[in-house]
Amino acid sequence: KAGVTQTPRYLIKTRGQQVTLSCSPISGHRSVSWYQQTPGQGLQFLFEYFSETQRNKGNFPGRFSGRQFSNSRSEMNVSTLELGDSALYLCASSLELQGRLANEKLFFGSGTQLSVL
Amino acid sequence: AQKITQTQPGMFVQEKEAVTLDCTYDTSDQSYGLFWYKQPSSGEMIFLIYQGSYDEQNATEGRYSLNFQKARKSANLVISASQLGDSAMYFCAMREGGIYNQGGKLIFGQGTELSVKP
Repeated sequence: KAGVTQTPRYLIKTRGQQVTLSCSPISGHRSVSWYQQTPGQGLQFLFEYFSETQRNKGNFPGRFSGRQFSNSRSEMNVSTLELGDSALYLCASSLELQGRLANEKLFFGSGTQLSVL
Repeated sequence: AQKITQTQPGMFVQEKEAVTLDCTYDTSDQSYGLFWYKQPSSGEMIFLIYQGSYDEQNATEGRYSLNFQKARKSANLVISASQLGDSAMYFCAMREGGIYNQGGKLIFGQGTELSVKP
C-alpha cells in the first residue's frame, strides 16, 4: 500500500508569489491534515480536511488555504509568499473508519521543502 | 503556555544501550492521547507508540516503551537496545479531547535529536 505522497519535494519561490502543494493520502484515508515545520516554531498545525470540508484550523493567516477533493487528495495554497513562509510542509492522513478515535494514528508524507527568496 | 515540553534538545547514546527521551505535557482535558514520532533526515514522520490517558498499562511497541506517569504529566519514551538507525529527531505529541477530540490536530513538542554512537 502506497504511503502519503507529497509533491513537489522541493520548491523555490520568490516573495509575493503564490504556491500550491499537493498531498495524496493513503488509499481509503478520509482525513488529511497539514503542518508547517520550521526550526524556530517547530511543528504547527495548519488545517484539517475531512470529506472535502475543513474540520479544523490552526492559527495561521488567511494567506494559507487548502481544499480536499472527492478522492481525498488535498492541496494547500499560500498566496503572497513571505520569507517567513520558508518551511517544510508536512501532510498527514488518517483512516477514521470508526470516527475520531483518540488513538487514531496520523501517517505523514516526506513533506515539501519550500524556500522563499 | 507550551503544552508539550521536551527538555533535551540533543542526546547521545551508545549502540545497544537503552535511552530515555523526556516529555511533559499540559492539558486540562481528562481524555487525551499521547504519541511519539520519529523523524529521520528524510523528513517523514514515523509513528512509534501511543498512550491513552485512561490506559492503565504503559504502552509497548517492540523496542519502544512509554513510561507514562499521569500525575506528573509525563510520557517518556524508552528505546531499548539502541541501533544506529535510531539516530533521528523524536517528537512527543498530544491529541486533546475524548470523543470530540481534535482529530488531525496534534500538538508537538520541539523534539529531541538522538544520535547513536557505534
